[in-house]
Amino acid sequence: DTAVSQTPKYLVTQMGNDKSIKCEQNLGHDTMYWYKQDSKKFLKIMFSYNNKELIINETVPNRFSPKSPDKAHLNLHINSLELGDSAVYFCASSQDEKIAYGYTFGSGTRLTVV
Amino acid sequence: DQQVKQNSPSLSVQEGRISILNCDYTNSMFDYFLWYKKYPAEGPTFLISISSIKDKNEDGRFTVFLNKSAKHLSLHIVPSQPGDSAVYFCAARTAGTYKYIFGTGTRLKVLA
Repeated sequence: DTAVSQTPKYLVTQMGNDKSIKCEQNLGHDTMYWYKQDSKKFLKIMFSYNNKELIINETVPNRFSPKSPDKAHLNLHINSLELGDSAVYFCASSQDEKIAYGYTFGSGTRLTVV
Repeated sequence: DQQVKQNSPSLSVQEGRISILNCDYTNSMFDYFLWYKKYPAEGPTFLISISSIKDKNEDGRFTVFLNKSAKHLSLHIVPSQPGDSAVYFCAARTAGTYKYIFGTGTRLKVLA
């Protein structure tokens, strides 16, 4: 009964491939996010969806495309993977009226591009 | 342009003593500040928060202090325990937004 679950936990793939990371939350939260933690440990927001609507779209390459089929799911699709995409990707969710308490994070997906 | 900075990448403290983790920020429009704790191979977990209208918030062994004039916040852990060994992130958001900006984290090691 994990609150925010991501799959896969580890992903090793070759340059140029297309891959997806899935995220699901069972908390009934309104908003979901994707964060990227790079090799320098910066944890940076990429996207956010509120009730299936894109509300945050930071400056990321358009090879990254989020998809939210419903309020409980936010998937991340990456086309033409590059070496620099190697990072840990965290999915998170939050309840609108409790945004002051931040997010609930998933356990992360470690993506390695070789 | 890093708006939230944690200048100490690591900190070692003896068990039972106080741990003080620091965070500086540049944006005066931040209205909520959070501390997260992260163990290896896990996602960050919420620890404690503070509103910009307060200067202190306490929850058990954890206390967060906010100095708005200095744009500085700190997390105090008293007494420190070996299970507190983790990476601690501070985060802040601008009023009315969903986006939290994170610092780069401080790795705390509590020595038994």
